[in-house]
Amino acid sequence: GESVGLHLPTLSVQEGDNSIINCAYSNSASDYFIWYKQESGKGPQFIIDIRSNMDKRQGQRVTVLLNKTVKHLSLQIAATQPGDSAVYFCAERVSGTYKYIFGTGTRLKVLA
Amino acid sequence: DTGVSQNPRHKITKRGQNVTFRCDPISEHNRLYWYRQTLGQGPEFLTYFQNEAQLEKSRLLSDRFSAERPKGSFSTLEIQRTEQGDSAMYLCASSFGDVVQYFGPGTRLLVL
Repeated sequence: GESVGLHLPTLSVQEGDNSIINCAYSNSASDYFIWYKQESGKGPQFIIDIRSNMDKRQGQRVTVLLNKTVKHLSLQIAATQPGDSAVYFCAERVSGTYKYIFGTGTRLKVLA
Repeated sequence: DTGVSQNPRHKITKRGQNVTFRCDPISEHNRLYWYRQTLGQGPEFLTYFQNEAQLEKSRLLSDRFSAERPKGSFSTLEIQRTEQGDSAMYLCASSFGDVVQYFGPGTRLLVL
């Protein structure tokens, strides 16, 4: 399949360990954030979202943390599995627009 | 199934030719987005429709690019006089209201 990203930052974790993927977003006026997972040859797949009036949100095996003071977003994946291997993107939406700005992505490699 | 679909999945064309891509959003989703993604990068916003109205366009969308959503359902993205720099993955996403966008599988364009 095609490679989604050839020179992306890479995070390698052992299967079963927890993963933390970080993202610095660009605009202090952004009010909504989404994490996406993208596998080679596929479109981005929604993982979890968070609005700017929250600082933490949990899903199944995933948690998103938002620190508006430093414009930082993180995605925590518990008990990482081989199927979690992919490129992960954060996306921000600037308040008052319909435009979503994506980060450059992080490749997650899960080691057996 | 009712995910976002895109056609064709792959397109190879010669420089100077016109190409048209189609996106069928999830049924009843009133919002539709087009993005472009190159290797190693996150998706870049191109344009946004709410129903049939095109409400926002990126500066990336040059005069050679045009998008339509005539009946508020499917959308087309046309590129005229293609250039090698247009080679990319073109992604479509849809949403219902002000929530998560769901992406299609993309159309991979190669301009020779």
